Amino acid sequence: KQEVTQIPAALSVPEGENLVLNCSFTDSAIYNLQWFRQDPGKGLTSLLLIQSSQREQTSGRLNASLDKSSGRSTLYIAASQPGDSATYLCAVKLHSGYSTLTFGKGTMLLVSP
Amino acid sequence: GAVVSQHPSRVICKSGTSVKIECRSLDFQATTMFWYRQFPKQSLMLMATSNEGSKATYEQGVEKDKFLINHASLTLSTLTVTSAHPEDSSFYICSVAKTLTDTGELFFGEGSRLTVL
Repeated sequence: KQEVTQIPAALSVPEGENLVLNCSFTDSAIYNLQWFRQDPGKGLTSLLLIQSSQREQTSGRLNASLDKSSGRSTLYIAASQPGDSATYLCAVKLHSGYSTLTFGKGTMLLVSP
Repeated sequence: GAVVSQHPSRVICKSGTSVKIECRSLDFQATTMFWYRQFPKQSLMLMATSNEGSKATYEQGVEKDKFLINHASLTLSTLTVTSAHPEDSSFYICSVAKTLTDTGELFFGEGSRLTVL
């Protein structure tokens, strides 16, 4: 059974710092990996999607990497801002087609001004 | 990107009543939608896969008679929590995928916070 672990569970940084969130998964045979942002009491916003054949994806100040063989992904946030404060979730998709995602518990990020 | 709408965003009900949550795919037709439940500080857990025109597929441990799912059209799936109890209080989120041959990216609704008194 696929398990997804995110470290750290919580992170507090001052504004402007670069930071890295970690995600690991037990079964390396994934179809893709997706990073989401969740604000308190809200749904999920997709940030980056990395296909199994890709090594990284970038969007603005966000960069996500994938090392499928070792079962790891990282989300790099450059020049963090207070508006980045949220919970960041990592999820893996095992198969193509209509298969669901297996989620980690998330990393709660607080960026202080 | 896809737009998924959920309604209501918040609902408070008395124990023993039933509550219906709607999930709409606004940008495209979705033959499959997924329903998740999220408890405080926990990850999202898949409850069931909703298939248009057929019965939903429930995950192990999820009572199909308690959580009724109807996917009568390509843009709407509903989750009805029947005879709700305080332990059913949770955050319910739906998601949709575009097509079978798509990137596999899932899009999520804003979620519905259910509180059962």
